[in-house]
Amino acid sequence: DAKTTQPPSMDCAEGRAANLPCNHSTISGNEYVYWYRQIHSQGPQYIIHGLKNNETNEMASLIITEDRKSSTLILPHATLRDTAVYYCIVRVGGGNAGNMLTFGGGTRLMVKP
Amino acid sequence: GAVVSQHPSWVICKSGTSVKIECRSLDFQATTMFWYRQFPKQSLMLMATSNEGSKATYEQGVEKDKFLINHASLTLSTLTVTSAHPEDSSFYICSAPDPRGTDTQYFGPGTRLTVL
Repeated sequence: DAKTTQPPSMDCAEGRAANLPCNHSTISGNEYVYWYRQIHSQGPQYIIHGLKNNETNEMASLIITEDRKSSTLILPHATLRDTAVYYCIVRVGGGNAGNMLTFGGGTRLMVKP
Repeated sequence: GAVVSQHPSWVICKSGTSVKIECRSLDFQATTMFWYRQFPKQSLMLMATSNEGSKATYEQGVEKDKFLINHASLTLSTLTVTSAHPEDSSFYICSAPDPRGTDTQYFGPGTRLTVL
């Protein structure tokens, strides 16, 4: 699976958009970009994933660059409850890779009042 | 969405004892479950893949005789930490693939183990 690079920490003001970047310059054509988050002392939670098109759901938006070497997770209106560690994971999708996930360091997002 | 539970949520034990942690898929079946370990301020590390009806697959460096995994049914996997020592103190988390085949994972809430 391709390696990802994320900033170790970020701050965001409550109510503002939180933009979390992820670099995955060695991504392969059949690898998807997944985002999970982990609130303190809880299990990770799936947020969103995509292959090459931008994706949006009720939690967030995922913007993937045209060359697919980087992506940005956007929380449009961050709340205090969004304070968590956000993990960007790149792996083969379509159920072909045993579904296991390899977690990197993630970005610790602190939403401040 | 699908729910994965873990029991207990926390446990404190004495050094040398064994501790069993349960991971259940509450409203779906899971032929495969994953066990992760997370030390303070670190990321999750995959320990092993639990397979219903067959032996678990352990990641390199994880002692299979120390971390016993049993996937006896389609909704239950157990992790037993045998002869626990203080260095085994950690946050243990299990996960199961989305039964709808969306290629995402549902995680349990985790079990915090403290070995005195």
